[in-house]
Amino acid sequence: GAVVSQHPSWVICKSGTSVKIECRSLDFQATTMFWYRQFPKQSLMLMATSNEGSKATYEQGVEKDKFLINHASLTLSTLTVTSAHPEDSSFYICSAREVTGSGEQYFGPGTRLTVT
Amino acid sequence: QKEVEQDPGPLSVPEGAIVSLNCTYSNSAFQYFMWYRQYSRKGPELLMYTYSSGNKEDGRFTAQVDKSSKYISLFIRDSQPSDSATYLCAMRKTSYDKVIFGPGTSLSVIP
Repeated sequence: GAVVSQHPSWVICKSGTSVKIECRSLDFQATTMFWYRQFPKQSLMLMATSNEGSKATYEQGVEKDKFLINHASLTLSTLTVTSAHPEDSSFYICSAREVTGSGEQYFGPGTRLTVT
Repeated sequence: QKEVEQDPGPLSVPEGAIVSLNCTYSNSAFQYFMWYRQYSRKGPELLMYTYSSGNKEDGRFTAQVDKSSKYISLFIRDSQPSDSATYLCAMRKTSYDKVIFGPGTSLSVIP
């Protein structure tokens, strides 16, 4: 089956620093990847959609200068949280959609970010 | 009104019970309906995928979609403790549209 990995699975950083999260589709090519954040006991909220080789499309209310997304290849997208603050602490989940097939999305295991 | 509504629970049932999870939605343009299972601190795992109205069965899981009522359900037969998780309904308009998630229902199956 389609596998999506994320790295790191858990990260702690100090306020004001930046942290990069990687999302990889391991056994398929993904033209589109999605980044979500999830607060405790809440559902997934879409942050942005990234297409390989082009700029990401951000959802309303998501700061594109704070959450930098790069989708440089068909198997890798990165999310960089710049100048992180404690309120950015959350569970970040990526998903990838196959180039071919049903268009189904496959989710990564998530990255837990804690900003101190 | 939220686009997708789901009772957050928590729902607690004894092992072996039949579980019924439901979502309602407001946008009649939704055509694709999914159910995801999410264990604590993990990413969502696709359980069921249905296009338009009808039923779909996969092992102990049955998904039902009633587009006329804008209502979808997931039934779990012979529930097991390993089914304890949060269940998220999700839907989208086209096969390549963004997915809209419900808030999730927390389920506990007690041995």
